[in-house]
Amino acid sequence: GENVEQHPSTLSVQEGDSAVIKCTYSDSASNYFPWYKQELGKRPQLIIDIRSNVGEKKDQRIAVTLNKTAKHFSLHITETQPEDSAVYFCAASTNSGYALNFGKGTSLLVTP
Amino acid sequence: DGGITQSPKYLFRKEGQNVTLSCEQNLNHDAMYWYRQDPGQGLRLIYYSQIVNDFQKGDIAEGYSVSREKKESFPLTVTSAQKNPTAFYLCASSGTGANQPQHFGDGTRLSIL
Repeated sequence: GENVEQHPSTLSVQEGDSAVIKCTYSDSASNYFPWYKQELGKRPQLIIDIRSNVGEKKDQRIAVTLNKTAKHFSLHITETQPEDSAVYFCAASTNSGYALNFGKGTSLLVTP
Repeated sequence: DGGITQSPKYLFRKEGQNVTLSCEQNLNHDAMYWYRQDPGQGLRLIYYSQIVNDFQKGDIAEGYSVSREKKESFPLTVTSAQKNPTAFYLCASSGTGANQPQHFGDGTRLSIL
């Protein structure tokens, strides 16, 4: 089955800096890649997603890039703010299944 | 999302007891999912259902059971066969077709007494 690896597991940046989180996947048939943000004790919330026919997608300070050849995708957060502090999860799925395979998460801390 | 309601928020299970976690959605979504979250483990799929009266096992289905009698409801039973049930359980739903965004409920935290 699909295996999603996420790095780093923890990331600390200063306010205003950029943060990058990377994920790799094993199943070349994967074609949908969402990113979720989860604050402590709360539900994961979808922040951005990308499909395999697109190489990059942006939404204000957040962007995701996808390299299907290398089977990796990344989340980029620019001009980080303390409220960006949370755990971020990447995931991947294929057309043949509905289920998402999640990475283990990255705990991002943005210090003022 | 306000459209997915999980209850209770906290649940305690005694030895040998089955407990049922509720998940209701009013988003008119066809697909529903149950995930288990442990510290440092990410989310792992327990069961999912694409349509009423049908469901499939996920990666860690042992010790759990589900039913899907109504489109709006997808309850999860944690049986006594699940020896390590302490975790945060998340229910999600998505629209028709594969690769639709999944929206999560607020979760149920289950602990052993």
